[in-house]
Amino acid sequence: DQQVKQNSPSLSVQEGRISILNCDYTNSMFDYFLWYKKYPAEGPTFLISISSIKDKNEDGRFTVFLNKSAKHLSLHIVPSQPGDSAVYFCAAIAGSEKLVFGKGTKLTVNP
Amino acid sequence: DTGVSQDPRHKITKRGQNVTFRCDPISEHNRLYWYRQTLGQGPEFLTYFQNEAQLEKSRLLSDRFSAERPKGSFSTLEIQRTEQGDSAMYLCASSRPGTGFYGYTFGSGTRLTVV
Repeated sequence: DQQVKQNSPSLSVQEGRISILNCDYTNSMFDYFLWYKKYPAEGPTFLISISSIKDKNEDGRFTVFLNKSAKHLSLHIVPSQPGDSAVYFCAAIAGSEKLVFGKGTKLTVNP
Repeated sequence: DTGVSQDPRHKITKRGQNVTFRCDPISEHNRLYWYRQTLGQGPEFLTYFQNEAQLEKSRLLSDRFSAERPKGSFSTLEIQRTEQGDSAMYLCASSRPGTGFYGYTFGSGTRLTVV
């Protein structure tokens, strides 16, 4: 059972435009949601998070939106840069130390 | 802060052989985690340690898998009688007290190929 779902395996955007990565979840007990970025041959790197009591968190070019009623979150990157090209993982946590990851979305930002 | 170090980076082994991976966490990080990532999937939790105590194990960690963290410093993950389905990237992460998942730092992983 996939508790965290990223239904788009890939996304391609032009440099300077907005990238929107989506994530759906099924477990209503999740209390934090996180986005990780992964380059090839490296481990995932923490990018941004949001508590389940918030609906938006912003950090520079990155904003995460949470819609609890729809069990949906999204990561917005504005403006997108070629260096943002990577695999982005959505993850969630429910009162423990265990992160539950989605399958990832490969973002390509074209110059 | 030299990051989380994993060794080896790559391992090719024949089916049925035993393999052992090592993870050196960031010093003073008392929590250490192992995850496994197979092709096309996100990382999946295997187990975690607080100091030397193994506090949680996933059902993915069959009896062929064993993890240790003697003295609460480095950790080893051993797979006995490897199978082709064990082929994956094995990721280690560590965090320090009070930071929880915010302080999670992943290593670059050990890629295991079972032939």
